[in-house]
Amino acid sequence: EDQVTQSPEALRLQEGESSSLNCSYTVSGLRGLFWYRQDPGKGPEFLFTLYSAGEEKEKERLKATLTKKESFLHITAPKPEDSATYLCAVQGPTAFGNEKLTFGTGTRLTIIP
Amino acid sequence: NAGVTQTPKFQVLKTGQSMTLQCAQDMNHEYMSWYRQDPGMGLRLIHYSVGAGITDQGEVPNGYNVSRSTTEDFPLRLLSAAPSQTSVYFCASSLSVTNSPLHFGNGTRLTVT
Repeated sequence: EDQVTQSPEALRLQEGESSSLNCSYTVSGLRGLFWYRQDPGKGPEFLFTLYSAGEEKEKERLKATLTKKESFLHITAPKPEDSATYLCAVQGPTAFGNEKLTFGTGTRLTIIP
Repeated sequence: NAGVTQTPKFQVLKTGQSMTLQCAQDMNHEYMSWYRQDPGMGLRLIHYSVGAGITDQGEVPNGYNVSRSTTEDFPLRLLSAAPSQTSVYFCASSLSVTNSPLHFGNGTRLTVT
């Protein structure tokens, strides 16, 4: 069964203090790994898709990387507006020939001014 | 461009009542899905549709029905509400089933007493 584990559950950083969020996964045949951002009371918002080990993608202060077992979301010099819950999801094949998306429980990031 | 629109935003039901959560998208996406989000758990797939007239069960389908008569609309019906269905429900759509990021609505917070 596909599994996604995100750590830490919660992270508090000072403004400007860089850090990384981790997404460890187990899937038989990764089709794609997705990162989403979720603000309180809102739906998740798509950030990145990564497909193969070694791939990296960047957007403003965020950079996502992928290995065969985990993905990191690096946050450089974060600002208070980066405070949100960050969700990771992996897409893999099922026994029925279709695909399934499995979500982690997220990391709640708080940036203190 | 409204994206994915869900109504209502909040709903309180008594055990045994039925209701329909509405979802509409204006992006001409073929794939639509319903998730529930509970504390400490990742988003879990309830039902999905790969096109008008086609629906299928996800991970947690019991107690819910769906239909897809048009590309735009994908309502979720609770047949006889139970306290275990207290949750936040998200509708999501994407261009295709595979390797296509989901666009989420802002959710319906449902409480069953």
